[in-house]
Amino acid sequence: LAKTTQPISMDSYEGQEVNITCSHNNIATNDYITWYQQFPSQGPRFIIQGYKTKVTNEVASLFIPADRKSSTLSLPRVSLSDTAVYYCLVGDMQSSGSARQLTFGSGTQLTVLP
Amino acid sequence: EPEVTQTPSHQVTQMGQEVILRCVPISNHLYFYWYRQILGQKVEFLVSFYNNEISEKSEIFDDQFSVERPDGSNFTLKIRSTKLEDSAMYFCASSEGLNSYNEQFFGPGTRLTVL
Repeated sequence: LAKTTQPISMDSYEGQEVNITCSHNNIATNDYITWYQQFPSQGPRFIIQGYKTKVTNEVASLFIPADRKSSTLSLPRVSLSDTAVYYCLVGDMQSSGSARQLTFGSGTQLTVLP
Repeated sequence: EPEVTQTPSHQVTQMGQEVILRCVPISNHLYFYWYRQILGQKVEFLVSFYNNEISEKSEIFDDQFSVERPDGSNFTLKIRSTKLEDSAMYFCASSEGLNSYNEQFFGPGTRLTVL
């Protein structure tokens, strides 16, 4: 599994754009990059997934450079309710006939201030 | 929107007792998982389940743990003889299929407290 490194914590203010970068230098050819969000005392929630370039959905954007050794989760105009832990996960997309476990790191604690 | 449900939300038990944590995955999903998160620590994978058998399990998932899909809707995690260190949030998750790195949908968790 590719090791991921992301900042332990970040602070932002309401209305700002937040960018959280994750390093994954040993990413493999078949690996996808996925971000999850977790609020206190809740289960993680999928935010976005990508392989290369840019992916955008109604919640966030994910930027992946050509070398794929890092990725940046971009949250536009954050609000207080975006305060959560954000996890970057890297995993193999190949079908192996078995269900795929997710390996969570420590994540980035994002605190949005008023 | 379909969601994974878990019961109970909080379980308190005495050390050495058996507990069963219950989950109802999303109905058309084929893959099921249990994770746990000790307070203040990472979310850790325990076990995955597909086609009525365990697909993968971690080192944490020792002989004290078992999983079962007793009917078409429930997915259970049993801890036979609980230890103090089993105190954690236990999350059930499910995913639809295998052809891509499928999104896993997590339940709200069961907080297990072992006294």
